[in-house]
Amino acid sequence: DAGITQSPRHKVTETGTPVTLRCHQTENHRYMYWYRQDPGHGLRLIHYSYGVKDTDKGEVSDGYSVSRSKTEDFLLTLESATSSQTSVYFCAISESTVNSNQPQHFGDGTRLSIL
Amino acid sequence: SQQGEEDPQALSIQEGENATMNCSYKTSINNLQWYRQNSGRGLVHLILIRSNEREKHSGRLRVTLDTSKKSSSLLITASRAADTASYFCATALRGAQKLVFGQGTRLTINP
Repeated sequence: DAGITQSPRHKVTETGTPVTLRCHQTENHRYMYWYRQDPGHGLRLIHYSYGVKDTDKGEVSDGYSVSRSKTEDFLLTLESATSSQTSVYFCAISESTVNSNQPQHFGDGTRLSIL
Repeated sequence: SQQGEEDPQALSIQEGENATMNCSYKTSINNLQWYRQNSGRGLVHLILIRSNEREKHSGRLRVTLDTSKKSSSLLITASRAADTASYFCATALRGAQKLVFGQGTRLTINP
């Protein structure tokens, strides 16, 4: 299995609080991604990173920010959590862009509940 | 509607039977990938087929791609209880730096 660790694995918090999820990889892959998975929507891309300090938005980026100060760490922050952000969040990594025919490798997810 | 849509949404078969899942998409792709997700776990990459390929095999898995019909199928032969999982197709869109996932097929293998 690819060395991807997500933390925390579970979190319950209240509306309006800030939340930060961490993804740590030991594969030295250049690309890192944050997805959310919700019933009826499959996986949707939130943000991705193509290098240290290089990030871009995905299809559902509103209300989320990311940072990547080191190759191995990619942080996802909910500045002020809302109930609509209750979801399971997955981090993924890949060696190169998806158009270079490289697969993505996923962590085991963080289950986030916002009350 | 979604770029990738799987069909059926759920499939239940007996152990030893073959399972076929289909994926349709709307726009031009560089490649199409299939992933498996066991309950409570992350997605695991199964197989990638490039847009210029028509068929690919990996163990008991067979994937086909028909770019004229914008569709792909995943065949799992001689199914086992351990194959019970959700299966997702994901398309790498031309010119885009992302995968677009379908909603998945829930496969149940009955002993």
